[in-house]
Amino acid sequence: DQQVKQNSPSLSVQEGRISILNCDYTNSMFDYFLWYKKYPAEGPTFLISISSIKDKNEDGRFTVFLNKSAKHLSLHIVPSQPGDSAVYFCAASDAAGNKLTFGGGTRVLVKP
Amino acid sequence: NAGVMQNPRHLVRRRGQEARLRCSPMKGHSHVYWYRQLPEEGLKFMVYLQKENIIDESGMPKERFSAEFPKEGPSILRIQQVVRGDSAAYFCASSSTVEDSPLHFGNGTRLTVT
Repeated sequence: DQQVKQNSPSLSVQEGRISILNCDYTNSMFDYFLWYKKYPAEGPTFLISISSIKDKNEDGRFTVFLNKSAKHLSLHIVPSQPGDSAVYFCAASDAAGNKLTFGGGTRVLVKP
Repeated sequence: NAGVMQNPRHLVRRRGQEARLRCSPMKGHSHVYWYRQLPEEGLKFMVYLQKENIIDESGMPKERFSAEFPKEGPSILRIQQVVRGDSAAYFCASSSTVEDSPLHFGNGTRLTVT
């Protein structure tokens, strides 16, 4: 029972263009959402988060959008850079604490 | 400004041996989480601990796995009588007590069971 799904296992984008990563969830108790970036042989690194009271949060080149009615969130990276090539994980938690449920990840390749 | 420290980075065990994975949280963090990542999959929650207490172990296998976070020293994830299916990357994360503070992850321990 996958409560957090990232349906695109991979994404290839040209340097300078926008990367859009999508994530769907099924548990309506989730109210805090995060994106993590992971390089090989390293741990996930926190990128950006959003709580359910907002529909958008922006931090530099990264913007997260939340559509609660559709149980969908997305991460926009613009402009994409070669250093953004990594696996991106969407994660969610409920109000009870920080136990995170992760999606399966999307591998992003930014071509120079 | 050390982050979450995990050791060893790589651990090789034969079937039937014990594996001990250690995690020191970030300075000032009192909450520790263990996650497991199987090849080509996302991270799966195992256990959540605070000092001397297990808060949530709903993701821990019922047998052979245990975790502790003593008053002094690192958190330990212990796997007894390892089997090949235990081969995975095990990540530890920590957080502060501030609400909605994100988890900070270590670089993981890659366990290989031969």
